[in-house]
Amino acid sequence: EIVLTQSPGTLSLSPGERATLSCRASQSFSSSYLAWYQQKPGQAPRLLIYGASSRATGIPDRFSGSGSGTDFSLTISRLEPEDFAVYYCQQYGSSCITFGQGTRLEIK
Amino acid sequence: EVQLVESGEGLVQPGGSLRLSCAASGFTFSSYWMSWVRQAPGKGLEWVANIKQDGSEKYYVDSVKGRFTMSRDNAKNSLYLQMNSLRAEDTAVYYCARTRIYCSGGSCAPSYFDYWGQGTLVTVSS
Repeated sequence: EIVLTQSPGTLSLSPGERATLSCRASQSFSSSYLAWYQQKPGQAPRLLIYGASSRATGIPDRFSGSGSGTDFSLTISRLEPEDFAVYYCQQYGSSCITFGQGTRLEIK
Repeated sequence: EVQLVESGEGLVQPGGSLRLSCAASGFTFSSYWMSWVRQAPGKGLEWVANIKQDGSEKYYVDSVKGRFTMSRDNAKNSLYLQMNSLRAEDTAVYYCARTRIYCSGGSCAPSYFDYWGQGTLVTVSS
């Protein structure tokens, strides 16, 4: 099983700032089979990024993903008030799909 | 508009059973892999199981193998999760999710989840 470790656990920033979230895999997996999700309290997760760097339909271009191998990141270029939430990475490079433990992005 | 609506919420004793359903609309259900993903209270996301378009392939996380069975009825645009021998650690919100595939070397496999239902709560407690 591929274990995904997200860092930091909590990130405190102000609107307008840039956020960089990290996701590290315990082993390298095929191609760039990594996705990112956003989850707000009481809501289902929403797909942001797939294939490590492709934005899902309707996702603003301030969200971008990058990385390969074992190190991936999600960047939010300029934080909007609605971006404060929990973010999860997910890998599908192995038959057992796994998620990271999440990064909470909170308002400073 | 893609919609996924889960049902079957309930409180069940350890060792008991429960069946979850997910009604899909707004897309051609029979063309997609589908998955169940759960989230224990205050915790992160955990993939539980997925099923191929025609139901011929199913995969489960190790912790539910032999206890949970996923199925689908394409005529009814519905997805199911039969949960037996439930344990306290199965307590979670269960989401159904439409699942995209990736193809490599002539074969395709389930990948990411592009639409999610709102979830249904399963509580296992005596």
